[in-house]
Amino acid sequence: EVQLVESGGGLVQPGGSLRLTCAASGFSVSSSSLSWVRQAPGKGLEWVSIIFGDGSTHYADSVKGRFTISRDNFKNTLYLQMNSLRPEDTAVYHCATDRVDGRVFTDHWGQGTLVTVAS
Amino acid sequence: DIQMTQSPSTLSASVGDRVTITCRASQSISYWLAWYQHKPGKAPKLLIYKASTLESGVPSRFSGSGSGTEFTLTISSLQPDDFATYHCQQYSSYWTFGQGTKVEIK
Repeated sequence: EVQLVESGGGLVQPGGSLRLTCAASGFSVSSSSLSWVRQAPGKGLEWVSIIFGDGSTHYADSVKGRFTISRDNFKNTLYLQMNSLRPEDTAVYHCATDRVDGRVFTDHWGQGTLVTVAS
Repeated sequence: DIQMTQSPSTLSASVGDRVTITCRASQSISYWLAWYQHKPGKAPKLLIYKASTLESGVPSRFSGSGSGTEFTLTISSLQPDDFATYHCQQYSSYWTFGQGTKVEIK
């Protein structure tokens, strides 16, 4: 059974950094496409970043240059390094697995971890 | 960027009702659309992909239709477990979501 458990969220000041962790089980992150998706309070879901099985990455324009997605194949874990955080980055961050079926879409999700950027 | 617009934003319904949620894309996305169910504090759950393909294990009262720019999610007979927020996602070009439709008890 695929399980994803996020951690690392918390309160951080504007301009600060945070690293989110997503512990995966039931599959291998090394050969998988994985994403981060966030939901700001009162808003819809927003795709943040993806790492494909070949290691290539993509980012939403809103986080490009500030966030870095990576994975540790030995720990079977996905990460999101978030730098230069802004109040508008406040959200619940979900990690998710992606399925390839002609195109790539999200299938399994974690419950999320809350990131609050405020002074 | 492809924008996704869901309607309504909130829907009040009773158990047993037929419920329809609409999702419109700002440009054609063929059938590259997924629907998710999300309950507070829980992981979102994939219901439908490729506009109309039911995910394994999802009850058959859920169905999806549409192509191009207009899509619908239908719940044929609303059950107590179905009160949640529903999101559409296009995956034709990168990934964008609608703003969500909250289905609440009437």
